Amino acid sequence: DAGVTQSPTHLIKTRGQQVTLRCSPKSGHDTVSWYQQALGQGPQFIFQYYEEEERQRGNFPDRFSGHQFPNYSSELNVNALLLGDSALYLCASSLKGGANLNYGYTFGSGTRLTVV
Amino acid sequence: SQQGEEDPQALSIQEGENATMNCSYKTSINNLQWYRQNSGRGLVHLILIRSNEREKHSGRLRVTLDTSKKSSSLLITASRAADTASYFCATDGWAGNMLTFGGGTRLMVKP
Repeated sequence: DAGVTQSPTHLIKTRGQQVTLRCSPKSGHDTVSWYQQALGQGPQFIFQYYEEEERQRGNFPDRFSGHQFPNYSSELNVNALLLGDSALYLCASSLKGGANLNYGYTFGSGTRLTVV
Repeated sequence: SQQGEEDPQALSIQEGENATMNCSYKTSINNLQWYRQNSGRGLVHLILIRSNEREKHSGRLRVTLDTSKKSSSLLITASRAADTASYFCATDGWAGNMLTFGGGTRLMVKP
């Protein structure tokens, strides 16, 4: 049973460029959430997608956008990259948005984005 | 912004000792979860405690929750070198659908 799959694992981009990160949820899950984790800090919620719509959004600018496809996979897009966007981007999947009482949310291994 | 703080920020112990990490949060919660992260990679869910629960056990893990003090603690008993990792508490609010994480505790268990 595949867990959450994220691609790519590492990425280097130049300031001002645009980037797309991808996530496939765990089999049986229909909800995808995205988090940004700066070095040495805890993850911060970016947004959640359910039924192909953005269901909830954290305190991130409009440069951060996303999409969910009919197969429940998701993309995170970041435009006009800044040096401060360098971070580990984590994807988490769940069923109907909420945490499973036994295993919480299922996280992928993340994409390490470096902006130079 | 972070929901709260974790204490200590770093902890170094010998194998076999117990490790205790504390977490404080600011707003009303539906449940509180603890996650482990190895070497800056993905988060692994450890345990979830609901707001109407006070204590929960899972193997060598014991979690307590005090909603009146808005705090939680994670105890790892008989620690092993393989427990070396960062540990994060995360709150799940009543609005649902998002986790708010603390800053984490970096645990080192020396063989």
